[in-house]
Amino acid sequence: QVQLQESGPGLVKPSETLSLTCTVSGYSISSGYYWGWIRQSPGKGLEWIGSIYHSGNTYHNPSLKSRVSISVDTSRNQFSLNLNSVTAADTAVYYCARGRGSTTNWYSDYCGQGTLVTVSS
Amino acid sequence: DIQMTQSPSSLSASVGDRVTITCRASQTIGMYLNWYQQKPGKAPNLLIYAASNLESGVPSRFSGSGSGTDFTLTISSLLPEDFATYYCQQSYNLPPTFGQGTKLEIK
Repeated sequence: QVQLQESGPGLVKPSETLSLTCTVSGYSISSGYYWGWIRQSPGKGLEWIGSIYHSGNTYHNPSLKSRVSISVDTSRNQFSLNLNSVTAADTAVYYCARGRGSTTNWYSDYCGQGTLVTVSS
Repeated sequence: DIQMTQSPSSLSASVGDRVTITCRASQTIGMYLNWYQQKPGKAPNLLIYAASNLESGVPSRFSGSGSGTDFTLTISSLLPEDFATYYCQQSYNLPPTFGQGTKLEIK
C-alpha cells in the first residue's frame, strides 16, 4: 500500500522559507510517477503547487512565480518543497501526492494526510 | 489557467437519493477531467479519472460522464458515507486546476 507522510514546521514567519518533506513508503519514487504538492486554504480552495519526476524534472504553478523549489531524494524515498518569501496568504494545509498520468495530465491517486502550515510572526 | 466551475456549491439530499454534480471548464479539455471526494480533516480521494473511469476500489454507485467543457458526477443511490465535499479537477494542461467544490449535506 502506497503511503505518503508530510513533515515540517507548522509555523513559519513572514518573509521566511516554508520547507516540507514527504516520505513515501510502499513504492519507490525512482520507479516513476510525478510526485507533487497541493495546498488548500479557505480563501483559495485547492491549488496545485508543482510536481517532480523521479529524474528530477520539475513543474510548478506560475502563480507562485519563482518562489517554489521542489527536489527529490531517491535514496531516502523522499521529495521536498521549499516556498520562500512566505506571507499570510501561504497559510494552508499542504498535501504531498503521487501524480498519475503524464507531465501535463497530472492527477493524484495517493495523498498524504496533510499538514497545516501557518504563516505568522 | 483553465477555470473550473462547479454547480451547485452545496446540495442537500437524503440517503437513497440520486444526485448529480456538474463541472464546467472555461475551455475545452477533452476528457481530462477528474473527480475527488473529500471528508473533513482528510485529503482528497480520487473517485473518477479521465471523465468516466472509476478508480480502483471506488463503489460502482459513482459514475462520471462528459467531454469538452461539460461534465457530471452522479451518485446513483446515496449512502451515509457519501456526505462529503466533491471537487472536479482538469488535467488537460498545467497548472492543474480545481473547481470550488460541492458540499453534499444530509437533508
